[in-house]
Amino acid sequence: QKEVEQDPGPLSVPEGAIVSLNCTYSNSAFQYFMWYRQYSRKGPELLMYTYSSGNKEDGRFTAQVDKSSKYISLFIRDSQPSDSATYLCAMMKGFQKLVFGTGTRLLVSP
Amino acid sequence: SQTIHQWPATLVQPVGSPLSLECTVEGTSNPNLYWYRQAAGRGLQLLFYSVGIGQISSEVPQNLSASRPQDRQFILSSKKLLLSDSGFYLCAKGREGGQNEQFFGPGTRLTVL
Repeated sequence: QKEVEQDPGPLSVPEGAIVSLNCTYSNSAFQYFMWYRQYSRKGPELLMYTYSSGNKEDGRFTAQVDKSSKYISLFIRDSQPSDSATYLCAMMKGFQKLVFGTGTRLLVSP
Repeated sequence: SQTIHQWPATLVQPVGSPLSLECTVEGTSNPNLYWYRQAAGRGLQLLFYSVGIGQISSEVPQNLSASRPQDRQFILSSKKLLLSDSGFYLCAKGREGGQNEQFFGPGTRLTVL
């Protein structure tokens, strides 16, 4: 069993839709959670970072962590074609060692 | 600054040839630096990390090695490339002040033929 599970998609939505991206994890030692956006053939870009259960909002993005269920989510409001990318969840255990999901490919059609 | 430079951007090498990928970063001194590999259909895999000059920790035994000859320079090397070394190699830098976020460079796409 992988430590971090993420549906690879693709997830196709129309412009303006609310997008929900999710990851589950098995190791309760994970304490810090991040979401990255990766465009094709580019390096990942950090979108959100959180370390506690609950919600964190930044513009159109909301990160949600439920440690009791070992489940994290990223919501994107008013999705745009420019949001089309692969979204990677990442979690930290130990000394700054990130463990990544395989990524969900998102396609937002105009 | 979270600026990270990686060289080269793309590389095609024959099996058995040597490899040297370079990463240089800007910003405060003594950053934590990381090498990751991203293979098709798989998540990013941590290969090496460094907390200072000459200090390298290996996460996965393999055909690769890393060195940190200068504070803001991190190098990934191999003496003899294998087909399985193909992938997208990413250098990352930890946020200044020992915070947990990591920031990635543009990557090097390596194809071994």
